[in-house]
Amino acid sequence: AQRVTQPEKLLSVFKGAPVELKCNYSYSGSPELFWYVQYSRQRLQLLLRHISRESIKGFTADLNKGETSFHLKKPFAQEEDSAMYYCALTDKLIFGTGTRLQVFP
Amino acid sequence: KAGVTQTPRYLIKTRGQQVTLSCSPISGHRSVSWYQQTPGQGLQFLFEYFSETQRNKGNFPGRFSGRQFSNSRSEMNVSTLELGDSALYLCASTFRGVVTGELFFGEGSRLTVL
Repeated sequence: AQRVTQPEKLLSVFKGAPVELKCNYSYSGSPELFWYVQYSRQRLQLLLRHISRESIKGFTADLNKGETSFHLKKPFAQEEDSAMYYCALTDKLIFGTGTRLQVFP
Repeated sequence: KAGVTQTPRYLIKTRGQQVTLSCSPISGHRSVSWYQQTPGQGLQFLFEYFSETQRNKGNFPGRFSGRQFSNSRSEMNVSTLELGDSALYLCASTFRGVVTGELFFGEGSRLTVL
């Protein structure tokens, strides 16, 4: 079955620490994976997509087909990164359960 | 360009009632999808409409239904409400014929069932 798994419900780090939000997927075929973010009192919005291989707000994510993972990484977390993050397999409209990132000062 | 608009933003219903939620997509977007967001389950896909046709459906009971109009506006209906239906209902629109790429979300309709 097609599935997206985000094993951590909550990830807490201090400002300046590295961050890695985990995402694993199960999909037969070539997946199209995204990270969406929801800041407090804002709409859910696209953060980045694997096909663009870009860095947005210092975040990167690499698709690892061997490990079926698409982890989101940032070398130095900022307080403004505190938000809810969802990994998504959007051509099948499948989202993970989300990880709340808390960055403490 | 106006974003995705959902109405009403908040509503309170009692068990057994029904509710209709509305979603106006970004102008030019033809695909509208609906999601139920709860703290424990994250985002769960309800259904997707494209050009007035339901293209995909999630694993929700038949009490959950939807439709799309010729102007791409969409409605979802939940009949015989249950306490567990309390959630934030999000809709998203996208331009492309195949739902791939960036989804643009509305602010959601928060439903409370008493």
